[in-house]
Amino acid sequence: DVKVTQSSRYLVKRTGEKVFLECVQDMDHENMFWYRQDPGLGLRLIYFSYDVKMKEKGDIPEGYSVSREKKERFSLILESASTNQTSMYLCASSRGLAGSYEQYFGPGTRLTVT
Amino acid sequence: GESVGLHLPTLSVQEGDNSIINCAYSNSASDYFIWYKQESGKGPQFIIDIRSNMDKRQGQRVTVLLNKTVKHLSLQIAATQPGDSAVYFCAENGRTALIFGKGTTLSVSS
Repeated sequence: DVKVTQSSRYLVKRTGEKVFLECVQDMDHENMFWYRQDPGLGLRLIYFSYDVKMKEKGDIPEGYSVSREKKERFSLILESASTNQTSMYLCASSRGLAGSYEQYFGPGTRLTVT
Repeated sequence: GESVGLHLPTLSVQEGDNSIINCAYSNSASDYFIWYKQESGKGPQFIIDIRSNMDKRQGQRVTVLLNKTVKHLSLQIAATQPGDSAVYFCAENGRTALIFGKGTTLSVSS
């Protein structure tokens, strides 16, 4: 079975802190994604990566950056956390042409910024 | 950009009934569609997918129907069980990633 793991289930950080969210997949997938999920807004794509060191902005990249140094690992970075970044963060991975195959999701990280 | 929407934010059914969850999509060029189930506190899980060269696809207790003429997608769950209570999302293929609808919350009462 495909497994996507995220480093934390729950995280509480203070405004202005630098926050790292880690994601690891074990199926050698080319593509990895970071979404945030908010009530009434559904899943919104922050960034995605289609190869090591390659990244592309999604719909809401402001305030975030990403890193993909190894194929299995995709990190989301909040450079200076703000209260409006309190959300559920979901990582996903997929094979092949991005958007044309099933995405496998991790369990999510619920981040609270105070 | 293109978006995928759902007709109803909530659906309540009795255990044993059949459930139908609907979704409208706007991009006529989309050729891949997928349904996910998300239980409370968990990430979305794949249920079933369908490509545009098909109208219907069946899984275990679930059927997805695709009507390309009216750009409509539906998920049918047979003999709905309490364990089916969750949020259901449809998605279509975008340029770089799947585009998700906002979800329908299915509540099953016994």
